[in-house]
Amino acid sequence: GAGVSQSPRYKVAKRGQDVALRCDPISGHVSLFWYQQALGQGPEFLTYFQNEAQLDKSGLPSDRFFAERPEGSVSTLKIQRTQQEDSAVYLCASSFSLGGNYGYTFGSGTRLTVV
Amino acid sequence: TQLLEQSPQFLSIQEGENLTVYCNSSSVFSSLQWYRQEPGEGPVLLVTVVTGGEVKKLKRLTFQFGDARKDSSLHITAAQPGDTGLYLCAGNKLVFGAGTILRVKS
Repeated sequence: GAGVSQSPRYKVAKRGQDVALRCDPISGHVSLFWYQQALGQGPEFLTYFQNEAQLDKSGLPSDRFFAERPEGSVSTLKIQRTQQEDSAVYLCASSFSLGGNYGYTFGSGTRLTVV
Repeated sequence: TQLLEQSPQFLSIQEGENLTVYCNSSSVFSSLQWYRQEPGEGPVLLVTVVTGGEVKKLKRLTFQFGDARKDSSLHITAAQPGDTGLYLCAGNKLVFGAGTILRVKS
């Protein structure tokens, strides 16, 4: 597609439920990033993929968070046993360059609300 | 972790006024980007600066990268209500500033 597509746009989960968030990057973009953003704040880095390899997952807040990109295109961010503090907007971004040194294209995000 | 500090955190001005937003760090960056984000959307890339001392203009927006590549500024001339949004700077090491919320009143 022409842009980065994220689904679902909104997700309401009961505390303890597992969720899966999907990201379709721009075709051919080798770098893919996941960020978590609280209201009115800047995005916080979660993890980075170069093709199918997860090169950096230092930002994942706990072992309940897991991300994969098995074929180097679509990526899924999974959160197990969701907690209220997981409520945030989850942004996906992709870049043609390695490491995104020349900027990223972001999706519109998935707003997760844990009740 | 390279920390990017943005100031001010919040700015509310009248249409037609000028403003400057700052992005500072103690670390050197090989590149720095500025983004604008509207509610319910992802950040949109405005500019990437690479060379120390570089100045780039995008219509009424002027971006400057510090000589030492540790800081940057965004200047908006004659602000308009359509400029309202969250302005973010980001360094090449996957770090974002906390952002400046700009509100331009008509």
